[in-house]
Amino acid sequence: QKEVEQNSGPLSVPEGAIASLNCTYSDRGSQSFFWYRQYSGKSPELIMSIYSNGDKEDGRFTAQLNKASQYVSLLIRDSQPSDSATYLCAVKGGGTGNQFYFGTGTSLTVIP
Amino acid sequence: DAGVIQSPRHEVTEMGQEVTLRCKPISGHDYLFWYRQTMMRGLELLIYFNNNVPIDDSGMPEDRFSAKMPNASFSTLKIQPSEPRDSAVYFCASSITGVLGYTFGSGTRLTVV
Repeated sequence: QKEVEQNSGPLSVPEGAIASLNCTYSDRGSQSFFWYRQYSGKSPELIMSIYSNGDKEDGRFTAQLNKASQYVSLLIRDSQPSDSATYLCAVKGGGTGNQFYFGTGTSLTVIP
Repeated sequence: DAGVIQSPRHEVTEMGQEVTLRCKPISGHDYLFWYRQTMMRGLELLIYFNNNVPIDDSGMPEDRFSAKMPNASFSTLKIQPSEPRDSAVYFCASSITGVLGYTFGSGTRLTVV
């Protein structure tokens, strides 16, 4: 199983602050990276994907990728209580298959 | 689009019983994945299919677990006999070639007592 590591948290931030979530991966051949959000008792939901080094912005979310450091992060600006969830980092393996490997997730709480 | 449909939503069974989980992927999706989620281990890939053919079952924990995909619209994950350590949420997900990113079903919460 490929290694995908996340800080399990919990991470708490005040409403309106920036939440920063981090992920490292072991397979240097990985090319595709994803962030999923999972509310308690619900299934994971894809919120961001990133394939190239640098930043990718989508609304209040910014994904950052550094392949040399094998590091991917997610920034949530202007955090809202509705952002409180577990965030899962997923990495597509470097082979030809379509399987993803997930981290154990970081629990985020946004305090009103 | 009804999404990925899993049944049952909850299953409580006694140790030693056979358990069958069911999944209907999104129509037109050619990949189907079975994952298991626990607090300790997170989301673990058990097996995945491409065009109904099992591609990688290296994540299946042991011979008690088996999965089938008899056609493009249906898959089962069977545990026989079940054990308490199998208690987890089992997710099915599907995707389509060329489009990365899965769509997950609602999951089946399995409790083996």
